Amino acid sequence: DTGVSQNPRHKITKRGQNVTFRCDPISEHNRLYWYRQTLGQGPEFLTYFQNEAQLEKSRLLSDRFSAERPKGSFSTLEIQRTEQGDSAMYLCASIPGGVETQYFGPGTRLLVL
Amino acid sequence: AQSVAQPEDQVNVAEGNPLTVKCTYSVSGNPYLFWYVQYPNRGLQFLLKYITGDNLVKGSYGFEAEFNKSQTSFHLKKPSALVSDSALYFCAVRGLNRDDKIIFGKGTRLHILP
Repeated sequence: DTGVSQNPRHKITKRGQNVTFRCDPISEHNRLYWYRQTLGQGPEFLTYFQNEAQLEKSRLLSDRFSAERPKGSFSTLEIQRTEQGDSAMYLCASIPGGVETQYFGPGTRLLVL
Repeated sequence: AQSVAQPEDQVNVAEGNPLTVKCTYSVSGNPYLFWYVQYPNRGLQFLLKYITGDNLVKGSYGFEAEFNKSQTSFHLKKPSALVSDSALYFCAVRGLNRDDKIIFGKGTRLHILP
């Protein structure tokens, strides 16, 4: 399957710990997006990359959040000093250049205890 | 500012009946419009999109949606519902400006009753 993959699929952590999620987009998709989805809500934009450049960050993304896409391929999203309010599904999506359809990964569900 | 509204949290339809899931939007200028479906513990799957052209857009699994500019709506429809259509449906909009982001609605849970 050459779709978008995300790892891990589930993460349980204690408040104050750091966590890192990985997203592998569809090969040659140059745009990559991160979203957060909480229960009863649609996905909320966090940040996006065009190739390796991070072009925009949402105000939702506090200083505890950082994202990278070092070689313009896979991306990581790190949350430092996790809080219970960070519990959510974190979704990654990729887009080929010039096309607006987003292809989503299965998501990483984070639970902060 | 861009926004999208899905006025119904849940829609119940008997199997075999037509279904409609409502969506209205607000955006400066012409929109890109999308419908996605989400099954439990899964990411979103693309159903269909409107970019330009014919107002009636056909998508995956027999779904279609009609772009209505005067009513700023993009309702999702299917002539005959299947139990397997039960899922969470999201409408999304973005403007045509390069920096515009895709904004998702809160979602509508569709229950198809056997």
